[in-house]
Amino acid sequence: GQQVMQIPQYQHVQEGEDFTTYCNSSTTLSNIQWYKQRPGGHPVFLIQLVKSGEVKKQKRLTFQFGEAKKNSSLHITATQTTDVGTYFCAGQSNTGKLIFGQGTTLQVKP
Amino acid sequence: ETGVTQTPRHLVMGMTNKKSLKCEQHLGHNAMYWYKQSAKKPLELMFVYNFKEQTENNSVPSRFSPECPNSSHLFLHLHTLQPEDSALYLCASSQEWNEQFFGPGTRLTVL
Repeated sequence: GQQVMQIPQYQHVQEGEDFTTYCNSSTTLSNIQWYKQRPGGHPVFLIQLVKSGEVKKQKRLTFQFGEAKKNSSLHITATQTTDVGTYFCAGQSNTGKLIFGQGTTLQVKP
Repeated sequence: ETGVTQTPRHLVMGMTNKKSLKCEQHLGHNAMYWYKQSAKKPLELMFVYNFKEQTENNSVPSRFSPECPNSSHLFLHLHTLQPEDSALYLCASSQEWNEQFFGPGTRLTVL
């Protein structure tokens, strides 16, 4: 069945350093969504990418969707302590089924 | 902040108990979901309801029984659970297959 793999599982960075998490799907996706879950909280939608090769930015966050629509990345520039949490990608197939990756937990040392 | 509410927020139950989790969405969405979140499997889809019809059952044991009486309410009935069922149970809703809005979750502990 469809699988979505996300790496790394954990990342510790010093405040001000950059951070990237990668997402790979075993099948071509209709779109990919990204969510953030703060410690003790619930996943919150960040963005959706639909087009092949699409790049979107939200302040210090840059999201990319691969040309083949099978992979994606989230890059955070100059991390801050408020960026702490777990970032999930979720790949959506043509049937509408959304499969979440395992998540990348980001720790930021002040 | 969220238009999706869940009750109770915390639940401790014995293996012989029967309990129910409740989810309500105030967003006018037509799809609702139950997820299980544990340390081993971060976000595991359990059930999907679209226009009150169950469209997905991800091989969930029969000790979990969902109910969707209308497009705004979703229940998860629990009976004879096992300690390994202890987890955070998240409800979410969406309009069609667009972004999902999650509730705060129910932290379940099975003794």
